[in-house]
Amino acid sequence: EAGVAQSPRYKIIEKRQSVAFWCNPISGHATLYWYQQILGQGPKLLIQFQNNGVVDDSQLPKDRFSAERLKGVDSTLKIQPAKLEDSAVYLCASSHRDYLGNEQFFGPGTRLTVL
Amino acid sequence: AQSVSQHNHHVILSEAASLELGCNYSYGGTVNLFWYVQYPGQHLQLLLKYFSGDPLVKGIKGFEAEFIKSKFSFNLRKPSVQWSDTAEYFCAVRNTGNQFYFGTGTSLTVIP
Repeated sequence: EAGVAQSPRYKIIEKRQSVAFWCNPISGHATLYWYQQILGQGPKLLIQFQNNGVVDDSQLPKDRFSAERLKGVDSTLKIQPAKLEDSAVYLCASSHRDYLGNEQFFGPGTRLTVL
Repeated sequence: AQSVSQHNHHVILSEAASLELGCNYSYGGTVNLFWYVQYPGQHLQLLLKYFSGDPLVKGIKGFEAEFIKSKFSFNLRKPSVQWSDTAEYFCAVRNTGNQFYFGTGTSLTVIP
């Protein structure tokens, strides 16, 4: 089966600019996650969707970050405006819903550099 | 707040040495436990997982992990490492709310 797709793979922007990332999960996966992985750290959950509803966005900096999953499939994550500390890899993952022992499948990530 | 602790940040081993990476979590309810690996330049991949039954689970490439509920631990082991095991290893916990928490990772370097 096809894996989790993300684009772009790399993005370089200047601070205060805007940027958007796109994710297409594995077909049939109801749960979608966005993570931020800063160099040398583990992934930190930004937002979790169940179909098109938000389950957890407690660690999303809502003053600058937003995410949507309008039709319960693809998702976009936006940063507006970007700050230097937003430089990181943004990972998208998906999993089955309500399956005991389900695992997350990760995409390749988008490496963001903010100058 | 729930957390996952990985005690070893950087580990350097010679080939054929044995490996044990520590992982402890803080959550009192039912959990699923995972170890993910990230090889250089590649994305995160599942190494093994525990969700019920035998607390000793075996994963790919000769890795295994033991869930000790009383210690809130899920340590990763491999009896004999290879150069190709050089990677970043992440422990993760899933709680009953289907939320995942990752540790900060352990960087393993295996010297030929």
